[in-house]
Amino acid sequence: DQQVKQNSPSLSVQEGRISILNCDYTNSMFDYFLWYKKYPAEGPTFLISISSIKDKNEDGRFTVFLNKSAKHLSLHIVPSQPGDSAVYFCAAITWGGSNYKLTFGKGTLLTVNP
Amino acid sequence: EAEVAQSPRYKITEKSQAVAFWCDPISGHATLYWYRQILGQGPELLVQFQDESVVDDSQLPKDRFSAERLKGVDSTLKIQPAELGDSAMYLCASSLQDGLNTEAFFGQGTRLTVV
Repeated sequence: DQQVKQNSPSLSVQEGRISILNCDYTNSMFDYFLWYKKYPAEGPTFLISISSIKDKNEDGRFTVFLNKSAKHLSLHIVPSQPGDSAVYFCAAITWGGSNYKLTFGKGTLLTVNP
Repeated sequence: EAEVAQSPRYKITEKSQAVAFWCDPISGHATLYWYRQILGQGPELLVQFQDESVVDDSQLPKDRFSAERLKGVDSTLKIQPAELGDSAMYLCASSLQDGLNTEAFFGQGTRLTVV
């Protein structure tokens, strides 16, 4: 049972436009949500996170929106750049006693065309 | 900038052989994770350590996989015997888990190919 879902395996946008990556989740106990970016043959790199008590977090060109009632979050990249082309993973954290568990979605491949 | 170190970067092994991966987390990070990522899928947790103790190994195939973090610092993940289906990227990550810093930092990964 997949608790974090990224239903779009790929997304293609033009340079300068907005990229919107979507993520849905099923576990209402998730406390934090994170987005990671991954280039081929490298480990994921942390991008941005949002607490479950907030609905928006912004960092430069990256903004994450959280809609708890819909169990949905999205990552907006504006403006998109060719260097943003990578796989983006949505991840969520639950607290389990003294430690937390990090669960990933399957990822969305973003291609930004020059 | 502090990084999670993993070695080797690439490993090719024959099925039924033993293989081991090493990870050195960011200094001071008590939590260490081993994830496996199959192409087209998200990372899946194999084992999670808090200091030297295993806190979650529910998804670790214990008949062939083992992991240790004896001194609560670096860690080793072993597969014996390796099977063709074990071909994947093995990712190590570490985090502070101090309530303020929630993100896990990943190493470059080890790409395992079993032939």
